[in-house]
Amino acid sequence: TQLLEQSPQFLSIQEGENLTVYCNSSSVFSSLQWYRQEPGEGPVLLVTVVTGGEVKKLKRLTFQFGDARKDSSLHITAAQPGDTGLYLCAADPGGATNKLIFGTGTLLAVQP
Amino acid sequence: GAGVSQSPSNKVTEKGKDVELRCDPISGHTALYWYRQSLGQGLEFLIYFQGNSAPDKSGLPSDRFSAERTGGSVSTLTIQRTQQEDSAVYLCASSYGLAGVEQYFGPGTRLTVT
Repeated sequence: TQLLEQSPQFLSIQEGENLTVYCNSSSVFSSLQWYRQEPGEGPVLLVTVVTGGEVKKLKRLTFQFGDARKDSSLHITAAQPGDTGLYLCAADPGGATNKLIFGTGTLLAVQP
Repeated sequence: GAGVSQSPSNKVTEKGKDVELRCDPISGHTALYWYRQSLGQGLEFLIYFQGNSAPDKSGLPSDRFSAERTGGSVSTLTIQRTQQEDSAVYLCASSYGLAGVEQYFGPGTRLTVT
């Protein structure tokens, strides 16, 4: 069974702080996505990373795919209350399956 | 509408009753997924439909769970003889069918079994 472990599970920080969320697995993936989910809504895609070592930036968010394509990180600079939500990584194992494997989630609360 | 819609948004039912949850995917999307999510947790895959192919039911937790997709569009997830452990948010997503592309999620149905 392929698992995606996210850490930390919960994170409560003050506005303006920086943070990093990790998504780890022992499996190699074709690509990896990061989603953010706000209360009462479904997850919304933030980014897809495909190439080992790839770094993508989305305003204050920086996403990195590990060189071996087994792990990823999400770094938020100067967090804002609007960044509050559940962050989910999701990986494409490739092959015949068309299913994504979702991570365990990181619940972020940014206090004003 | 432009997005994935789900109904009802909330459902409270008594243990032992059957429930039906509905999903309207984005028009033209060939793939439809159902997930279950416990409070603040990740998504548990339930079932996947792709075009006219046989659905991938590998994530259904028991034979009390079933789903169908009529005409390649609307899908219904049915839970028979509900149990308290079935309480969760049930999310539906649609996409163009490839795992590496974006999945568009509905707002979910919050199911509470009393």
